[in-house]
Amino acid sequence: DSGVTQTPKHLITATGQRVTLRCSPRSGDLSVYWYQQSLDQGLQFLIQYYNGEERAKGNILERFSAQQFPDLHSELNLSSLELGDSALYFCASSDGQGKVENTQYFGPGTRLTVL
Amino acid sequence: AQTVTQSQPEMSVQEAETVTLSCTYDTSESDYYLFWYKQPPSRQMILVIRQEAYKQQNATENRFSVNFQKAAKSFSLKISDSQLGDAAMYFCAYRSWNAGKSTFGDGTTLTVKP
Repeated sequence: DSGVTQTPKHLITATGQRVTLRCSPRSGDLSVYWYQQSLDQGLQFLIQYYNGEERAKGNILERFSAQQFPDLHSELNLSSLELGDSALYFCASSDGQGKVENTQYFGPGTRLTVL
Repeated sequence: AQTVTQSQPEMSVQEAETVTLSCTYDTSESDYYLFWYKQPPSRQMILVIRQEAYKQQNATENRFSVNFQKAAKSFSLKISDSQLGDAAMYFCAYRSWNAGKSTFGDGTTLTVKP
């Protein structure tokens, strides 16, 4: 158990819908990262937050957004869902400003299925 | 942008034998970090080993060791005395010294035969 929690574990929804994925980092970790793992694309970095502020942005679609709250939990919002958004979404956390010596600990992931 | 390539989509090894997984990367940076992650069927991402680019000594963690060739931009993972529990997808990842995100390869599926 990495100490990072993600809810829900599974999510099944229809095209065009909107969903929210939730992540709670390890106690004391200030940085949260979101990754998407599709069957044919490996892990893709989406976005990073540090202590409530956006720190880095990767291949995140405009239909997706995220935020980190004062209690440091983070939410990833996916809207106007398409079949291709079906994937495993990981959250990771670390305790520094993304400094490399601070290891990223991954949550168990949320499996999103869009029908 | 950095890229990470794992040229072996699948590998297999006999239990108790040794296997090496390959990883190459492309970067113009001199300071960076490399990682190997294990993803078992549970899909949990588990850090296996980490290598700092400024260190010449190869990292080791019990049965896991790396062969880091900075000039060749190569970072292979050696698993000794393979166990059934080592069966998983293995991902190589690159991380800049000043960036939080990691860039992952496409993974290598390792099968361990009893």
